[in-house]
Amino acid sequence: DGGITQSPKYLFRKEGQNVTLSCEQNLNHDAMYWYRQDPGQGLRLIYYSQIVNDFQKGDIAEGYSVSREKKESFPLTVTSAQKNPTAFYLCATQRGPASNEQFFGPGTRLTVL
Amino acid sequence: GENVEQHPSTLSVQEGDSAVIKCTYSDSASNYFPWYKQELGKGPQLIIDIRSNVGEKKDQRIAVTLNKTAKHFSLHITETQPEDSAVYFCAASINTGGFKTIFGAGTRLFVKA
Repeated sequence: DGGITQSPKYLFRKEGQNVTLSCEQNLNHDAMYWYRQDPGQGLRLIYYSQIVNDFQKGDIAEGYSVSREKKESFPLTVTSAQKNPTAFYLCATQRGPASNEQFFGPGTRLTVL
Repeated sequence: GENVEQHPSTLSVQEGDSAVIKCTYSDSASNYFPWYKQELGKGPQLIIDIRSNVGEKKDQRIAVTLNKTAKHFSLHITETQPEDSAVYFCAASINTGGFKTIFGAGTRLFVKA
């Protein structure tokens, strides 16, 4: 957790609605990541950003979008095109390209009804 | 791409016993291997890591070993305590001009008092 804030902790949405998950960091880390976690599975990478105004698709980017307008913020939008959006979403940061260690936020549990 | 397999998926031990979790990876270019502990409803936290130029690393009751030839790495927890109960993830990281981390599916460890 530390300097990474994800809000809200629990989020409920109706099917067909877009929803944006917040991730803010005060660690001054260059890179930020979004992962999805499903029960009994590891973390799967959705999107990542190594610098401001740049981001790359991860392994399961379909149905998601991101922006990186500020170093501190990396919001994730779950669109209606995501077929199975109910999951635990984790945001992580990394100091920079020369550093391996990732730091995780507390997560947001999204439930689509 | 990189693939990380983790075993077992569930591990139950008696307090005071040792616990061992094993992982294998596929990409020989991976050079950083972190282990994360995730408690219920929280984000993962790094507990120990090892780099490819080291065969073993120890931190109090936790140790990690790496066999690069066999592409195996393992987490060893000695003198387990109830508070060690959590989900543990191994990961392998490769530098692709920034670091991409691939996670194992996780091991749920139960330590019985």
